[in-house]
Amino acid sequence: DVKVTQSSRYLVKRTGEKVFLECVQDMDHENMFWYRQDPGLGLRLIYFSYDVKMKEKGDIPEGYSVSREKKERFSLILESASTNQTSMYLCASSLTVTGGLDEQYFGPGTRLTVT
Amino acid sequence: RKEVEQDPGPFNVPEGATVAFNCTYSNSASQSFFWYRQDCRKEPKLLMSVYSSGNEDGRFTAQLNRASQYISLLIRDSKLSDSATYLCVVILSWSSASKIIFGSGTRLSIRP
Repeated sequence: DVKVTQSSRYLVKRTGEKVFLECVQDMDHENMFWYRQDPGLGLRLIYFSYDVKMKEKGDIPEGYSVSREKKERFSLILESASTNQTSMYLCASSLTVTGGLDEQYFGPGTRLTVT
Repeated sequence: RKEVEQDPGPFNVPEGATVAFNCTYSNSASQSFFWYRQDCRKEPKLLMSVYSSGNEDGRFTAQLNRASQYISLLIRDSKLSDSATYLCVVILSWSSASKIIFGSGTRLSIRP
């Protein structure tokens, strides 16, 4: 069974704090993703990584950065948390197959509240 | 216009009914399509890929209509356990992850 784990289920941080969200997958997948999910807006892609040390911006990268030093680990960093970053953050991984991306496997999510 | 649009519902149908919902996309160059299911307070999980020729998996049928730019999901003989939010996913270009677009979901509630 593919397993994607996230470091915290719930997190409360103060405005201006630096926040690290960690994600680990155990299936040797090449691709890893960070999304945020907000009511009425669905899932929006923040960043994507297709290999170690490689990253691509998604639709809403502003205010976020990422790090992928090892294949199994993908970190999302909020340099200076703001209240509009209060959201559910979902990490996912997938295998690259010929012609496209394979099924994405999601972690359980981290509900981040910035006060 | 949103790039991917879904009727948010909720669709409230009795057990055993057939229900169908659509997902429209705006970019005709979109290449890959999927349906995911998300239970309340859980992560999304792949339900099925959508192929050009249409595909069926048990009680679930997915179809793609490129001319009208929509995909559909049909659920036959619905069960209480089908209650969930169904998300469509459209990938514009597999080499560009920034073109992975999730719909905001259609909520389905099956009543006894």
